[in-house]
Amino acid sequence: DADVTQTPRNRITKTGKRIMLECSQTKGHDRMYWYRQDPGLGLRLIYYSFDVKDINKGEISDGYSVSRQAQAKFSLSLESAIPNQTALYFCATSDLERQGGYTFGSGTRLTVV
Amino acid sequence: GEDVEQSLFLSVREGDSSVINCTYTDSSSTYLYWYKQEPGAGLQLLTYIFSNMDMKQDQRLTVLLNKKDKHLSLRIADTQTGDSAIYFCAESSGGSYIPTFGRGTSLIVHP
Repeated sequence: DADVTQTPRNRITKTGKRIMLECSQTKGHDRMYWYRQDPGLGLRLIYYSFDVKDINKGEISDGYSVSRQAQAKFSLSLESAIPNQTALYFCATSDLERQGGYTFGSGTRLTVV
Repeated sequence: GEDVEQSLFLSVREGDSSVINCTYTDSSSTYLYWYKQEPGAGLQLLTYIFSNMDMKQDQRLTVLLNKKDKHLSLRIADTQTGDSAIYFCAESSGGSYIPTFGRGTSLIVHP
């Protein structure tokens, strides 16, 4: 099994729908992150969590929310999806020892029509 | 804020060496990273270097850091078609240690 698992792998949804992307990890890491990848723009941080009770906004949090249900689970929600949220979404984890060396999931490709 | 810059594309012939360059602006950078993203996959950490090092070598990979010029490079010796991927440079500094990523360099290896 993968260390960081994202579900679903692909999703097409309609404008205005609520959608949740899920991430679970078996690394035992405290830190979890959600990124979005757009062609030519690299990775942009949406939200991050350093432990279950700690949630922080990243550089592009508008239109997104997160929930850290347990150390191993971190979900990302789009409350009312819009077409410019079409992107590849990555969950990542890290521990303090690796100082930012991330383990990434395989990504969720989201299309909003 | 911090910025990390990379060229978007690099094309090489199989067997040649590839050099991917990166510049960054944060003078307090503590860790610098290279990640590889293959098609349809997430990013995979290739290597990282502490800011007090000039060079790190790992098999076919050589990382060079010039702190004065804030320049990081990744050299891949004997480049193979399997090295075709997007390579991301990233840096992090003290405090949260959340890395800032460059936009990625697409390496295309021709047979």
